[in-house]
Amino acid sequence: GDSVTQMEGPVTLSEEAFLTINCTYTATGYPSLFWYVQYPGEGLQLLLKATKADDKGSNKGFEATYRKETTSFHLEKGSVQVSDSAVYFCALTGSARQLTFGSGTQLTVLP
Amino acid sequence: DAGVIQSPRHEVTEMGQEVTLRCKPISGHNSLFWYRQTMMRGLELLIYFNNNVPIDDSGMPEDRFSAKMPNASFSTLKIQPSEPRDSAVYFCASSNRGDYGYTFGSGTRLTVV
Repeated sequence: GDSVTQMEGPVTLSEEAFLTINCTYTATGYPSLFWYVQYPGEGLQLLLKATKADDKGSNKGFEATYRKETTSFHLEKGSVQVSDSAVYFCALTGSARQLTFGSGTQLTVLP
Repeated sequence: DAGVIQSPRHEVTEMGQEVTLRCKPISGHNSLFWYRQTMMRGLELLIYFNNNVPIDDSGMPEDRFSAKMPNASFSTLKIQPSEPRDSAVYFCASSNRGDYGYTFGSGTRLTVV
């Protein structure tokens, strides 16, 4: 079945550092890929998405590129802020048309 | 658009009591999902509906859990009787097209004592 593996956390960075959170997937066919963010005490919010190979999703300075050859969708940001502290989830929708989530990565950004 | 609306935001109940969680999806969305989130198990899909019809309830943990969607604008998740291990945050989400992602509600934090 479909699965998503993402980088174990927690990740702690200083403000303005570069962020990478790795995500790889297993799916049949051509899944759509997503990153969701969950701030403390809130629900999940869609951060960015990519629906086909080589697409780059971007939002709020975050980027991720759909790499079919490596089955990856790594999240990056060039300069993180304290306000980026949250839990980040990689996810996909495959042939079953259901969202399959990774386990989440806790990011803490220190001033 | 008000987004996906869940109620209540917080619920504290005693073991053995019935609990009903409510969800109003985004108007026009034809799929609705119930998730449970815990530290131990992360996000788990409990059940989802397509056009008000339950499609997959294999994630519902026990017969104590039931979900209904009587119309396109309302769904409930009921736990009867509740147990302390049911304590979690329960999220509802809706979607128009799965490949465009889901919109999540703010969740209901359930505590069973």
